[in-house]
Amino acid sequence: AQKITQTQPGMFVQEKEAVTLDCTYDTSDPSYGLFWYKQPSSGEMIFLIYQGSYDQQNATEGRYSLNFQKARKSANLVISASQLGDSAMYFCAMREGRNTGGFKTIFGAGTRLFVKA
Amino acid sequence: DTAVSQTPKYLVTQMGNDKSIKCEQNLGHDTMYWYKQDSKKFLKIMFSYNNKELIINETVPNRFSPKSPDKAHLNLHINSLELGDSAVYFCASSTTDRGRKKLFFGSGTQLSVL
Repeated sequence: AQKITQTQPGMFVQEKEAVTLDCTYDTSDPSYGLFWYKQPSSGEMIFLIYQGSYDQQNATEGRYSLNFQKARKSANLVISASQLGDSAMYFCAMREGRNTGGFKTIFGAGTRLFVKA
Repeated sequence: DTAVSQTPKYLVTQMGNDKSIKCEQNLGHDTMYWYKQDSKKFLKIMFSYNNKELIINETVPNRFSPKSPDKAHLNLHINSLELGDSAVYFCASSTTDRGRKKLFFGSGTQLSVL
């Protein structure tokens, strides 16, 4: 069964510093996608970044990068130059390709990030 | 224009009542979902519909009945509400065409059962 693990319930980072949020996953499907979403206190879910299982390079989107280590089954999110507005809940998610026809995306328990001024 | 819109945003009701949450997407996606986020912020998939057909039902009590009249709409009806149903319910959509297939979320419905 597919599984997503985020082991850091909460993280603190100083403004302007970089922070890494951990995510490990488990799947037997060779085709899958990994996502990170941000949920600020207002409650909406905001897509941040995507990594496909066959992508050769790590994904980057502005200040966000995904450290994809396929053999370790990890997909850590790196936020560079943290800003106060980055304080939020961050969710790692995975969508399998074949086993569920791509119709199921599961989420980790989330990491709450606090950015200190 | 809101891509995925769900109504109402807040729903406060008594135990035993029946309520509905509506969801509409204008993205032309073929797949829609309902997710439940509990008080600990854990997000769990409930249902997935593709082209109006139920694809995934994650052992949700049959008091929950989704209905998809067309590809752009997915409503959730809940019968005999219980205290444990209190949560935030998110509607989402995606495409199953080649590509990321990322989820586009609605703004959520905060359901409080008293």
